[in-house]
Amino acid sequence: NAGVMQNPRHLVRRRGQEARLRCSPMKGHSHVYWYRQLPEEGLKFMVYLQKENIIDESGMPKERFSAEFPKEGPSILRIQQVVRGDSAAYFCASSPGTISGQYFGPGTRLTVT
Amino acid sequence: GESVGLHLPTLSVQEGDNSIINCAYSNSASDYFIWYKQESGKGPQFIIDIRSNMDKRQGQRVTVLLNKTVKHLSLQIAATQPGDSAVYFCADFSSNTGKLIFGQGTTLQVKP
Repeated sequence: NAGVMQNPRHLVRRRGQEARLRCSPMKGHSHVYWYRQLPEEGLKFMVYLQKENIIDESGMPKERFSAEFPKEGPSILRIQQVVRGDSAAYFCASSPGTISGQYFGPGTRLTVT
Repeated sequence: GESVGLHLPTLSVQEGDNSIINCAYSNSASDYFIWYKQESGKGPQFIIDIRSNMDKRQGQRVTVLLNKTVKHLSLQIAATQPGDSAVYFCADFSSNTGKLIFGQGTTLQVKP
């Protein structure tokens, strides 16, 4: 059973470009979470999704950021018009249910130049 | 300009000694608590969890203690090994919010 998969592992974007981060949850997991981690800091919750639904996006910036988890395919975190402050590691986690452990992917390291 | 990030607390132990990593949480409605280990360049790895109705749980070489009175969680690692060197995060989960809230993290350094 493969773990949570994220790609790309590293992404470099110039200011103003778009970044698309993909996350494939573990098999059988229908809950996906996105977190952001700045250097030397803990993970900060961004958004919680189930298939085709956004359950909680309270941690997501109001502008430029969006997330989806379509019926088919991976979950996508999209950052439009990236700025240097978006540089961080973005982690995806999945779980089989609400009250259960979350399993993390290896992360995507976004660098904005 | 240069940005200054938070400096994680560091615990340095000798190989073979026991390690105790502490964590405080604030949400008294949390349902359960998890310890994660994060190695450099990798995602957090689940270590052990504990339900809010328990005060102790043991795994292989690890023990988690929960003190709800003072909202304190600790992770004990027995016979610490070099491979235990990593950043350790506690996280608390509330079914009301569905969110996992991470603590600051502690860097564990194991000296051979």
